[in-house]
Amino acid sequence: DIQMTQSPSSLSASVGDRVTITCRASQAIRNNLAWFQQKPGKAPKSLIYAASSLQPGVPSRFSGSGSGAEFTLTISSLQPEDFATYYCQQYNGYPLTFGGGTKVEIK
Amino acid sequence: QVQLQESGPGLVKPSETLSLTCTVSGGSVSGYYWSWIRQPPGKGLEWIGYVYYIDTTNYNPSLKSRVSISIDTSKNQVSLELTSVTAADTAVYYCARQGAHYGWFDPWGQGILVTVS
Repeated sequence: DIQMTQSPSSLSASVGDRVTITCRASQAIRNNLAWFQQKPGKAPKSLIYAASSLQPGVPSRFSGSGSGAEFTLTISSLQPEDFATYYCQQYNGYPLTFGGGTKVEIK
Repeated sequence: QVQLQESGPGLVKPSETLSLTCTVSGGSVSGYYWSWIRQPPGKGLEWIGYVYYIDTTNYNPSLKSRVSISIDTSKNQVSLELTSVTAADTAVYYCARQGAHYGWFDPWGQGILVTVS
């Protein structure tokens, strides 16, 4: 299985801060990576696919980068509605696997 | 747009079979990959498996001996069966459309909590 490791597991930030979350794969996965946002009690929502392509309707303050085995999700200016848990997911090999999540909390 | 809604019992006894249905509205189940994903309370996400068309399935090896996913095109539904459940199978179960064999999940259903007790 391809293991996905996210860091940090949690972070505290203020509105307006720039936030970066890292996702590392246990082997190269090209750019076959997606990012999801999950709010408490809700289903995950797709933000980014192919490592850097924004889903329609997702604010441009979200961006993704990386290829191979290291990826980042960046929120350029954190908004109140962005406090949530973020997950990466690889779709380069089976079984499909997710990172352990990064919880973004209010400082 | 496509919407997904999971349904089924919220409580299942140990050793019995968990059975859930995902009803798809706003689009057809035909021609797409449909996955089930679960999330134990307070924990991360685990892909269970997918069905494509009628007879193409792919399961997580960790669950393969106990899981079955099927599709009913006449009802526009996708179903999940998980046999011989234990407390470790307690989770929120989501159905989601998977864009391709090598694909991500979008959209997702709202999820259904199933407790094994």
